[in-house]
Amino acid sequence: DVKVTQSSRYLVKRTGEKVFLECVQDMDHENMFWYRQDPGLGLRLIYFSYDVKMKEKGDIPEGYSVSREKKERFSLILESASTNQTSMYLCASTRTGAITEAFFGQGTRLTVV
Amino acid sequence: AQRVTQPEKLLSVFKGAPVELKCNYSYSGSPELFWYVQYSRQRLQLLLRHISRESIKGFTADLNKGETSFHLKKPFAQEEDSAMYYCALGDTGNQFYFGTGTSLTVIP
Repeated sequence: DVKVTQSSRYLVKRTGEKVFLECVQDMDHENMFWYRQDPGLGLRLIYFSYDVKMKEKGDIPEGYSVSREKKERFSLILESASTNQTSMYLCASTRTGAITEAFFGQGTRLTVV
Repeated sequence: AQRVTQPEKLLSVFKGAPVELKCNYSYSGSPELFWYVQYSRQRLQLLLRHISRESIKGFTADLNKGETSFHLKKPFAQEEDSAMYYCALGDTGNQFYFGTGTSLTVIP
């Protein structure tokens, strides 16, 4: 009963490449989030979206952009990948209203060489 | 500003011993506090939330507003409890703020 799916489990990209990370949820959630997870730093919010075509910067948006053309899909874009963007990326979704549980994808381990 | 602090990056306990993972928060409103767990090679998942006031897998957590803490406790640790644990705060804007995580190892 997978509810949040990230398109790739592992990715290896070269410095300077444009990278797309895709996330799809099937729970009709309004809110979607992209985090990066690094040892000792926890989860840091990159971008989030409250609705289709809406986006808000999180704590570390530099070097990233996002796209949300459909409610169920939230894409993270690395315009020009750099080695310091090597990390685990997590997508999550929540329902609007009372503060509820966040559901996470399985994560994408991105390595930039 | 909202902030969640987990002071211990690593915690090791022996099987059968009590375990406590510390979490402190700062928040200007009424917080919603959560504990999330990530077992090896699995996705991050909800362990418990303070509003439920329930015990999950033997774990409990009490919200102490006076001390602004939400420590996670279990009286007898099991090997299968070894995992990464994150404390999280949810706000009325539907954002979640996570701590830096505590890696728990239960020694057989």
